[in-house]
Amino acid sequence: DAVVTQSPTHLIKTRGQQVTLRCSPKSGHDTVSWYQQALGQGPQFIFQYYEEEERQRGNFPDRFSGHQFPNYSSELNVNALLLGDSALYLCASSHGQGTNIQYFGAGTRLSVL
Amino acid sequence: EDQVTQSPEALRLQEGESSSLNCSYTVSGLRGLFWYRQDPGKGPEFLFTLYSAGEEKEKERLKATLTKKESFLHITAPKPEDSATYLCAGPLGTGTASKLTFGTGTRLQVTL
Repeated sequence: DAVVTQSPTHLIKTRGQQVTLRCSPKSGHDTVSWYQQALGQGPQFIFQYYEEEERQRGNFPDRFSGHQFPNYSSELNVNALLLGDSALYLCASSHGQGTNIQYFGAGTRLSVL
Repeated sequence: EDQVTQSPEALRLQEGESSSLNCSYTVSGLRGLFWYRQDPGKGPEFLFTLYSAGEEKEKERLKATLTKKESFLHITAPKPEDSATYLCAGPLGTGTASKLTFGTGTRLQVTL
């Protein structure tokens, strides 16, 4: 069943470029979290948005930024892309700020050449 | 520092051969332990959440259990369609955090 929607599914960029990834949360969810997953690793937390504000941030540089819109959808922006930014970017939605279940989208596969 | 460690890294089972996956954690004040399944090229799919030591949850051939220091995902009589990477995760830090710290996963392959 359709829950969290991410676009695009795949993306190829070159070093130094900028990229924007998009996420639509599950109906009824108001919190969006973004994760980066390198090949063979578990997802790493980037940041979380609630009520259109960044509430928590993981250990990622300022090149990673985001936004949440009034309809709870969200964007992840990455500037000055590096080869090491190549990964699967996952969006997860949940309700509220507690330890609630996070539901993940299928991800955006970003390749930086 | 909060950490989640999974073992083994990879597991190969024959169809019908039961086994268990381990997730050990050092998280300040347990506020939930989550299990997810991830198929190649896809996002993690939620399986279970456990909140208290002694808690157990089941879904088809899977059963998750929780102690004070670790969680197990028991797979009974697995089928090839159970092949996937199984991830466990716990909330990071204190306060209202709902951000998750993930282990590196156990890659399960079930053969005929």
